[in-house]
Amino acid sequence: DFHMTQSPSTLSASVGDRVTLTCRTSEGISSSLNWYQLKPGKAPKLLIYSASSLQSGVPSRFSGSGSGTDFTLTISTLQPEDFATYYCQQSYSTPLTFGGGTKVEIK
Amino acid sequence: QVQLQESGPGLVKPSETLSLTCNVSGGSISSYYWSWIRQPPGKGLEWIGYIYYSGSTHYNPSLKSRITISVATSKTQFSLKLRSVTAADTAVYYCARNLVTGYMDVWGKGTTVTVSS
Repeated sequence: DFHMTQSPSTLSASVGDRVTLTCRTSEGISSSLNWYQLKPGKAPKLLIYSASSLQSGVPSRFSGSGSGTDFTLTISTLQPEDFATYYCQQSYSTPLTFGGGTKVEIK
Repeated sequence: QVQLQESGPGLVKPSETLSLTCNVSGGSISSYYWSWIRQPPGKGLEWIGYIYYSGSTHYNPSLKSRITISVATSKTQFSLKLRSVTAADTAVYYCARNLVTGYMDVWGKGTTVTVSS
């Protein structure tokens, strides 16, 4: 199985900040890396697929980069609705696996 | 626009079978994979398995011996059965549409299942 490590586990930030979340895999997965946003009681939301492709309808302040084993999700200007938990997921091989998540909280 | 809705009992007794259904509305179940994912309290996401609309399945080896995922004959629902549950199976269970490239672009809101006597 591909093990996914996200850092930090919690990130405290303010509205307007630029934030960067990191995801590292145990083995190379090319660009088969996706990012999701989870909020309590709501359906999880796909943000980025294939490492850097923005899902339709997702604001352009979200961007993804990386390949191989190291990936990042950047929120250029943090908005109030962006406080949530973010998960990366590899789709290179089954079983599909997720990182442990990064919670973005209000500073 | 495709929408997914999970349904099933919120409480299951230990050693019994957890049964959940995902209703697919606003679109066709054809030509996609359909996944189940769960999130235990305070923990991360775990992929359970998926089914192709034609019926072929792929399960997480960690759960393979206890799960069955199936598509209803109506082709508007798919289901999860998890046998011999324990407290460790307590979680929010999500269903999702899986693109062939492996990412999940549509999710349900999730349903909470508690395993307790």
